[in-house]
Amino acid sequence: EAGVAQSPRYKIIEKRQSVAFWCNPISGHATLYWYQQILGQGPKLLIQFQNNGVVDDSQLPKDRFSAERLKGVDSTLKIQPAKLEDSAVYLCASGLSNTGELFFGEGSRLTVL
Amino acid sequence: GENVEQHPSTLSVQEGDSAVIKCTYSDSASNYFPWYKQELGKGPQLIIDIRSNVGEKKDQRIAVTLNKTAKHFSLHITETQPEDSAVYFCAASREGNNRLAFGKGNQVVVIP
Repeated sequence: EAGVAQSPRYKIIEKRQSVAFWCNPISGHATLYWYQQILGQGPKLLIQFQNNGVVDDSQLPKDRFSAERLKGVDSTLKIQPAKLEDSAVYLCASGLSNTGELFFGEGSRLTVL
Repeated sequence: GENVEQHPSTLSVQEGDSAVIKCTYSDSASNYFPWYKQELGKGPQLIIDIRSNVGEKKDQRIAVTLNKTAKHFSLHITETQPEDSAVYFCAASREGNNRLAFGKGNQVVVIP
């Protein structure tokens, strides 16, 4: 079974530029999550989708971050404009339902200069 | 919201010895407690989880214990092997929403 796919794996941009990350979850998984993992810290939830609807985006900095999950499958996370403090690994995860195991992708590492 | 703390931040053990990592949580309504292992350059992977209706769960060399009264849970790894070297994250959530709050992680180093 294919795992959670993310791209790009690495991205370097200058502050105030924009960036987009893509996630393809495991087939059949209804829930999809974006987490931000700053170096030396645990993952922090940014947004949770159930199918193509947003369940929780309370920790998403909406002035610069946006995410969508069209057709309830793939998802994109966008940052515009980027700040230095956005340097982190952005992890996508999916799950069968609202309970139980989350399956994480390998992440997209963002460096903002 | 939920606040999860892990101790110690780094743990070095001799191969074959046991490793124990402890976590505390703040939300008494949390009832799902997973442990994830993260290797360098990879995403976290679930290794074991426990729900609030049990106090202990084992899976081969790994076990998790839960004390709901004290609001803490621990990961126990016995007969450690070099491949156990990784960062381990504990997390907590209310089952049904799966909004996991992660701790900061423990770096476990197994010395051959």
